[in-house]
Amino acid sequence: DVKVTQSSRYLVKRTGEKVFLECVQDMDHENMFWYRQDPGLGLRLIYFSYDVKMKEKGDIPEGYSVSREKKERFSLILESASTNQTSMYLCASRAGPNPYEQYFGPGTRLTVT
Amino acid sequence: GEDVEQSLFLSVREGDSSVINCTYTDSSSTYLYWYKQEPGAGLQLLTYIFSNMDMKQDQRLTVLLNKKDKHLSLRIADTQTGDSAIYFCAERGGFILTGGGNKLTFGTGTQLKVEL
Repeated sequence: DVKVTQSSRYLVKRTGEKVFLECVQDMDHENMFWYRQDPGLGLRLIYFSYDVKMKEKGDIPEGYSVSREKKERFSLILESASTNQTSMYLCASRAGPNPYEQYFGPGTRLTVT
Repeated sequence: GEDVEQSLFLSVREGDSSVINCTYTDSSSTYLYWYKQEPGAGLQLLTYIFSNMDMKQDQRLTVLLNKKDKHLSLRIADTQTGDSAIYFCAERGGFILTGGGNKLTFGTGTQLKVEL
């Protein structure tokens, strides 16, 4: 059974703090994704990684960076958190090119005050 | 670019049928998906349909695709309180991500509320 875990379910940070969101998958998937989910906007792709140390910008990368040092772990970094980054963050992974096999983590609800 | 639209809310009575609608713009979409998100959880794939199909049935779920109008719907028969969730439509369009693989574009999500 594929499992995608995220380090925190809820996180509260102050404006200007550096924030790390961690995602781990246990199925040796090549592709990993970070989305943010906002009411009325659905899911928007922030960054995508197709291999260790490889990353591509998604639709809304501004204010974010990512790190993938190991295949199973994909981190989302907010260098200087701002209130407009308050959101639900969802990580996903998939084995190959077919989105049918895309699995999601439970999400991290981040509040920036 | 790709765009996927859904209505934000739907309220039905338990036992009735629910119909959740979705429109998309990418004519090169090959697969269309329905995901369910229960409160406090990630997204779970419910079903999908290939673009050369008009209909797909899976137990209480029926997916209808009108490719000409770029309209997708999900019908849930005999809706139960456990069906209360946010439902996302997503399309696998023509945009290819670096490293291979197609990008999924998600709709805004429809909050389904089932009343007793």
